[in-house]
Amino acid sequence: DADVTQTPRNRITKTGKRIMLECSQTKGHDRMYWYRQDPGLGLRLIYYSFDVKDINKGEISDGYSVSRQAQAKFSLSLESAIPNQTALYFCATSDLEPGSPQHFGDGTRLSIL
Amino acid sequence: GNSVTQMEGPVTLSEEAFLTINCTYTATGYPSLFWYVQYPGEGLQLLLKATKADDKGSNKGFEATYRKETTSFHLEKGSVQVSDSAVYFCALSPRGSSNTGKLIFGQGTTLQVKP
Repeated sequence: DADVTQTPRNRITKTGKRIMLECSQTKGHDRMYWYRQDPGLGLRLIYYSFDVKDINKGEISDGYSVSRQAQAKFSLSLESAIPNQTALYFCATSDLEPGSPQHFGDGTRLSIL
Repeated sequence: GNSVTQMEGPVTLSEEAFLTINCTYTATGYPSLFWYVQYPGEGLQLLLKATKADDKGSNKGFEATYRKETTSFHLEKGSVQVSDSAVYFCALSPRGSSNTGKLIFGQGTTLQVKP
């Protein structure tokens, strides 16, 4: 089984709909992250969390919200989806040691019509 | 601020050719540096890392050396294979009291290796 699991893998929806992307991990890491990937832009950080009570905005948090339900679960929500949120979304985890690498899920491809 | 710049792709090579993908960075202090690889339809996988100046990261025939004087972390491989076709991302993680474990990514470089 994958260490970092994202659901769904693909989603097509309409403008204005509420969407939730889910991420769960079995690595026991405290830190979790949500990124979006757009062609030519690399990955950009949306939100990150150090533990259940510590959630922080990344560089592009507008239009998104998150929930850290447990150490192992970190969900990303789009309250009212718009077409320019069409992207590939990744969840990642890392441990607390400085310089630790991040471990990524396989991504959710989201299309908003 | 912190930033990462990679050479633009796509890079197209024949099998067994030598690969270099350039990466330069801007950061305060001494960041950790990473190369990640993304195969089609998959998430990013750590390829190699270096945490201090002059460190050389290596994995699967790929190498990169942390060059503080040129603020670079170029990825190299002596002989590429078709299976190396993927998107490669250079990234840094800032150090110091503000360390959050966040990664700052370059835009990615697509490598296509032809038989």
